[in-house]
Amino acid sequence: DAGVIQSPRHEVTEMGQEVTLRCKPISGHNSLFWYRQTMMRGLELLIYFNNNVPIDDSGMPEDRFSAKMPNASFSTLKIQPSEPRDSAVYFCASSHRLGYNEQFFGPGTRLTVL
Amino acid sequence: AQTVTQSQPEMSVQEAETVTLSCTYDTSESDYYLFWYKQPPSRQMILVIRQEAYKQQNATENRFSVNFQKAAKSFSLKISDSQLGDAAMYFCAYRSAYEGAQKLVFGQGTRLTINP
Repeated sequence: DAGVIQSPRHEVTEMGQEVTLRCKPISGHNSLFWYRQTMMRGLELLIYFNNNVPIDDSGMPEDRFSAKMPNASFSTLKIQPSEPRDSAVYFCASSHRLGYNEQFFGPGTRLTVL
Repeated sequence: AQTVTQSQPEMSVQEAETVTLSCTYDTSESDYYLFWYKQPPSRQMILVIRQEAYKQQNATENRFSVNFQKAAKSFSLKISDSQLGDAAMYFCAYRSAYEGAQKLVFGQGTRLTINP
C-alpha cells in the first residue's frame, strides 16, 4: 500500500491567496483526519470524517478554513483567504474503524504564508 | 476535555543506554487508548507503541516498552539500548474508546537526542 498521500509537500503563498491541500487516504480506511502542527500549539485536530461525513470540526479555527471529502479516496482542506498565522505543517491521517483504529499519517504539507 | 502533558521538553541519552520519557494525561473516561508516536526530522509521524486502558499488562515492542499506571494517569515510554536512529521528537497521545470521539489528543512532545 502506498500509505496516505498528501499534496503538495510544500506550499509557499502570499497572504490573501487561496490554498488547497489534498489528501488520499489508505484504500479501505473509512476515517480521515486533518491535523495541524505549529510550534506554539503543537499537534491539534482540525476536523475528521467517518464514511465521508464530517464528525468533529470543532478544531477548525474559523470560517476561512473548510474541508470536504467528496468520496472515500479524496479530501481537501482549503484556506481562503490565507494569513501568515496559518503557516504550519498540515497532516492528513486515515484509519479503519475496526480494531485499534490506528491512525496512519501522511508526510504532511508544510505551508508558508508570506 | 482530555489533556496530555509531557513535562520533559528535551532529553538526551548515551547510545546503548536506557531512557524513559514521561507522559501524564487527564480524563474522566474509563476506556481509552494511549499511544507514543515518533517524529524524526523527516516529520513523518510513526507509531511506536500503543496501550489499551483495559489491559493491565504493559505493552512492549522490541526495545520499546511502556509503564502504564492507570490510577496515576501516567504512561511513560522506556527505550532500551538506545540507537542513533531513535533521535526524534516523541509525542504521547490519547484517544477515547468511544466511537464518536476518535481524535488523537497529543502532548507537546519530547525531543530525544542520542549521544554517540
